[in-house]
Amino acid sequence: SYELTQPPSVSVSPGQTARITCSGDALPKQYAYWYQQKPGQAPVLVIYKDSERPSGIPERFSGSSSGTTVTLTISGVQAEDEADYYCQSADSSGTYPNWVFGGGTKLTVL
Amino acid sequence: QVQLVQSGAEVKKPGASVKVSCKASGYTFTSYGISWVRQAPGQGLEWMGWISAYNGNTNYAQKLQGRVTMTTDTSTSTAYMELRSLRSDDTAVYYCARDPGFDWGQGTLVTVSS
Repeated sequence: SYELTQPPSVSVSPGQTARITCSGDALPKQYAYWYQQKPGQAPVLVIYKDSERPSGIPERFSGSSSGTTVTLTISGVQAEDEADYYCQSADSSGTYPNWVFGGGTKLTVL
Repeated sequence: QVQLVQSGAEVKKPGASVKVSCKASGYTFTSYGISWVRQAPGQGLEWMGWISAYNGNTNYAQKLQGRVTMTTDTSTSTAYMELRSLRSDDTAVYYCARDPGFDWGQGTLVTVSS
């Protein structure tokens, strides 16, 4: 089955830049989405279609894509950004949506 | 604004079934599909399947085929997810999400325990 691979953890100091990667063979053909999840809360979409930012999401969140890897970048990290981050894409086969999630990355703000 | 409001927590015995509802408001229900995602305690997100609110077409995760059924009631703008033959490892928070993930329900905790 198709898999997306993320690092389990990333740590940064406040004000620094955090980069979280997600790798998958189908990523050149399928869009990636990024979710932020804080303890006890539902996921929140922070990036869609590789690099688009939903309304209400701070400009410090950005996304990029290169080959089989997509990257979520958080510039000027704040304490409130500490959370789990999941990438999501689709298996390239099939007519209907078939979501695949990465294992998640815990972002720690030191 | 878009809202997805899910039904309350459930406690079930192994072998039983559970049906979780997801009532949508703030948009045209039939214009978007609904995905169901679950999260076991301390674990990551797992996609369970998708249903078109327009025509009821479905696509289920292979590991749940035969145990899960997703339906919609367009008259009440509500999506349903039924999971049968529950096991202890089905204990999780279950979420509904409107395509392509902009909006999520608050989650429903399903506990499977004898």
